[in-house]
Amino acid sequence: QVPLVESGGGVVQPERSLRLSCAASGFTFKNYGMHWVRQAPGKGLEWVAVIWYDGRNKYYADSVKGRFTVSRDNSKNMLYLQMNSLRVEDTAVYYCARDVRVGGTNHFDCWGQGTVVTVSS
Amino acid sequence: DIQLTQSPSFLSASVGDRVTITCRASQGISSYLAWYQQKPGKAPELLIYGASTLQSGVPSRFSGSGSGTEFTLTISSLQPEDFATYYCLHLNTDLMCSFGQGTQLEIK
Repeated sequence: QVPLVESGGGVVQPERSLRLSCAASGFTFKNYGMHWVRQAPGKGLEWVAVIWYDGRNKYYADSVKGRFTVSRDNSKNMLYLQMNSLRVEDTAVYYCARDVRVGGTNHFDCWGQGTVVTVSS
Repeated sequence: DIQLTQSPSFLSASVGDRVTITCRASQGISSYLAWYQQKPGKAPELLIYGASTLQSGVPSRFSGSGSGTEFTLTISSLQPEDFATYYCLHLNTDLMCSFGQGTQLEIK
């Protein structure tokens, strides 16, 4: 059973919207902070957003602030990324990742397989 | 915001070589650093967390060290499956994340 599975990617025109989903399984989802990370073609990893375990705190990269919204439904074990006003430069593989705290330090211990978003006219 | 700078960006080495990748933070981050390996078309995989703790299941030829602003990932004897791209990562107290730009390790 794959712990994190993303969906919702596709081809979309600039300025349009898309919502990504990440289905979690096999662990107590409500206990973990969750992140979205993206990777443009041929480029490095770029952090996008985090939502704390209870959904009360959310933080975003400057490149998506005001356009993207992260949310979660702990009753459904689901993480979401609402992407509005999409730009060509948002084209990337989008990963969801689980945040774990061990020995006083946080890191990502589990990643989904990624979903591809292509923004093109 | 914390900036992480990896060096080198590209590294060419042979099977059996010992290699070291460096990650420098723009300000002190104690030991709050992790290392990941990514192969083409795959999600990153955790190698090291807390700067020096080996993730369960990761071969012992991988090791990490450092604290404050300078960190290293060392592979003691390169194996064919180690040719990949490596990233360092830091999460702050708000869980905002910084990545290094990556080090691509290629076969010489």
